[in-house]
Amino acid sequence: DPKIIQKPKYLVAVTGSEKILICEQYLGHNAMYWYRQSAKKPLEFMFSYSYQKLMDNQTASSRFQPQSSKKNHLDLQITALKPDDSATYFCASSRTGGSYAEQFFGPGTRLTVL
Amino acid sequence: QQQVRQSPQSLTVWEGETAILNCSYEDSTFNYFPWYQQFPGEGPALLISISSVSDKKEDGRFTIFFNKREKKLSLHITDSQPGDSATYFCAAKENNNNRIFFGDGTQLVVKP
Repeated sequence: DPKIIQKPKYLVAVTGSEKILICEQYLGHNAMYWYRQSAKKPLEFMFSYSYQKLMDNQTASSRFQPQSSKKNHLDLQITALKPDDSATYFCASSRTGGSYAEQFFGPGTRLTVL
Repeated sequence: QQQVRQSPQSLTVWEGETAILNCSYEDSTFNYFPWYQQFPGEGPALLISISSVSDKKEDGRFTIFFNKREKKLSLHITDSQPGDSATYFCAAKENNNNRIFFGDGTQLVVKP
């Protein structure tokens, strides 16, 4: 069974709309993350949460808002979508937030903004 | 400025050969270096990692060589198999920080 579930796998949106990317992990981890992988850039760190609290935010735009309703959930709300937001968004988790904590990645949600 | 750089961008080897993937980094505060393997349509999966206190880490056919002075490391895949065909990402973390910095990746093709 998949340990990190991301929904949906593919998502197409129109410019200006709003979407929510879902992430659930069943590894019993306490830290969760979002990364983005686009065609023109390497995998980029976006956010980290530990025990449902925001620990680090490297996303300049407030259009990206993580939401943690449960310990094992970290959704990503994106508002006012732009074509440049097109990318694959990966959720990850680790047992703790320590330096050497192994981060496990989900299968990703591929977002296309038209 | 990109923190982690990888070369080559793509690499093709024959089955049984050793593939060598190179990586360099900028920030001397990085102290943990995981390598991730990614197959098309999947998320990255941790393959092997090394901390900055070591100069070599071996796990089966995969070995990391680390040169702290030159801020370089390499991943050697011995006896390459067609199933090793994937994109390999070198990454780096600094102490007390959850952020992973990724390189652009090396796309490896192993021909049978």
